[in-house]
Amino acid sequence: EVQLVESGGGLVQPGGSLKLSCAASGFTFSSYEMNWVRQAPGKGLEWLSYITSDGKIMFYADSVEGRFTVSRDNAKNSLYLQMNSLRADDTAVYYCAREIPRCGGDCNDYWGQGTLVTVSS
Amino acid sequence: QSALTQPASVSGSPGQSITISCTGTSSDIGAYNYVSWYQQYPGKAPKLMIYEVTNRPSGVSNRFSGSKSGNEASLTISGLQAEDEADYYCTAYAHRNPFYVFGTGTKVTVL
Repeated sequence: EVQLVESGGGLVQPGGSLKLSCAASGFTFSSYEMNWVRQAPGKGLEWLSYITSDGKIMFYADSVEGRFTVSRDNAKNSLYLQMNSLRADDTAVYYCAREIPRCGGDCNDYWGQGTLVTVSS
Repeated sequence: QSALTQPASVSGSPGQSITISCTGTSSDIGAYNYVSWYQQYPGKAPKLMIYEVTNRPSGVSNRFSGSKSGNEASLTISGLQAEDEADYYCTAYAHRNPFYVFGTGTKVTVL
């Protein structure tokens, strides 16, 4: 069974840092491109970042470019999101998601349960 | 890059068909056949319902169908059922940042 389990969320002060993890199981993690998507309380979905299966190419939304860094460790079947210079508007549930191979566009067929990040003093 | 525009809410009676629109621009929806739709229940992760405009992932009911014309994409739910009551989001690939732009979301209510 395919599973994605996020961890690392919590309460952090403005300007602080947090590193999210996404543990993958039930599939060959190294063969899949991955995304991070977030959802602020009561709001819609926002794509944040994408990483290729080999971890060599990453893309970011303007809202997090320069502050967030996506990475992966295929040997550990894990995806990460390092978040720095956090702001109140980064408060959201953060999801990792797996892309359908060779799919055009945002085709995330499996998602984690999400981890809540709250940025507040 | 602004979010794609969806109606805030759509409703229908059981058995009816409803259509949710998703309006973008020539830089996203109009540029590629790369439109996806997600269903989301409160407090749950999104579920992929349609990808590449018309394709359904394995296990998704054939009551869900997608289409596109110009800069507008649509999701049609036929034979509406109580379990279809949820939020629905479209998303499209854009050839500039953000590369994946989501719609504003539509709440579907089954009367």
